[in-house]
Amino acid sequence: DVQLVESGGGLVQPGGSLRLSCAASELNLKSSAISWVRQVPGRGLEWASTISGTDDSTYHAESVKGRFTISRDKFKNMVYLQMNSLRAEDTAVYYCAKHLYNILTAIGHWGQGTLVTVSS
Amino acid sequence: EIVMTQSPATLSVSPGERVTLSCRASQSVSNNFAWYQQKPGRAYRLLIYDAAIRATGIPARFSGSGSGTEFTLTISSLQSEDFAVYYCQQYDNWPLTFGGGTKVEIK
Repeated sequence: DVQLVESGGGLVQPGGSLRLSCAASELNLKSSAISWVRQVPGRGLEWASTISGTDDSTYHAESVKGRFTISRDKFKNMVYLQMNSLRAEDTAVYYCAKHLYNILTAIGHWGQGTLVTVSS
Repeated sequence: EIVMTQSPATLSVSPGERVTLSCRASQSVSNNFAWYQQKPGRAYRLLIYDAAIRATGIPARFSGSGSGTEFTLTISSLQSEDFAVYYCQQYDNWPLTFGGGTKVEIK
């Protein structure tokens, strides 16, 4: 079965940076549309970023635009989320998610999530 | 931004009951709409996509309907493994947005 595994979460001070990684078993991420979706514990889901499976175009929520960057390493079969200028409100569990087809389709597979805590 | 509103926030039901969850979009999303299930310690699971298509491996007791702004998830006979939180999502336009969730709990 397809599994997505996130890593790289942790505690970081406000203004700091963190890079999240997403790896997949039995799945080729090279041509997959992948999103990062976050969830503040006990609250709802918020989409953060998406990378297209066809042309690697990227899309970011206004709340993270200019601070977060989603990218792909085709050789390593990994997707990353570089998070800079982190704020307390970025504290959340971050999920790597693969879309069924390309962008603007449902999410077919989710990872278990990695917790990011922004605090001094 | 398209706002997704789910109702009710919590639903207390007994096993075997029929359950109906609702989601409303602030503007039309056509049928670009999905339902997900979240259980503690488990990854989110896609239940329904394109408003009415069951995802692979999803039991037939789950069904989705609606288009435009009004959507419904129906569980025909609630099983013990169905107690969970359910989220709706639109993928018609950026930003992708989710509803706040409906928790289905044991009565």
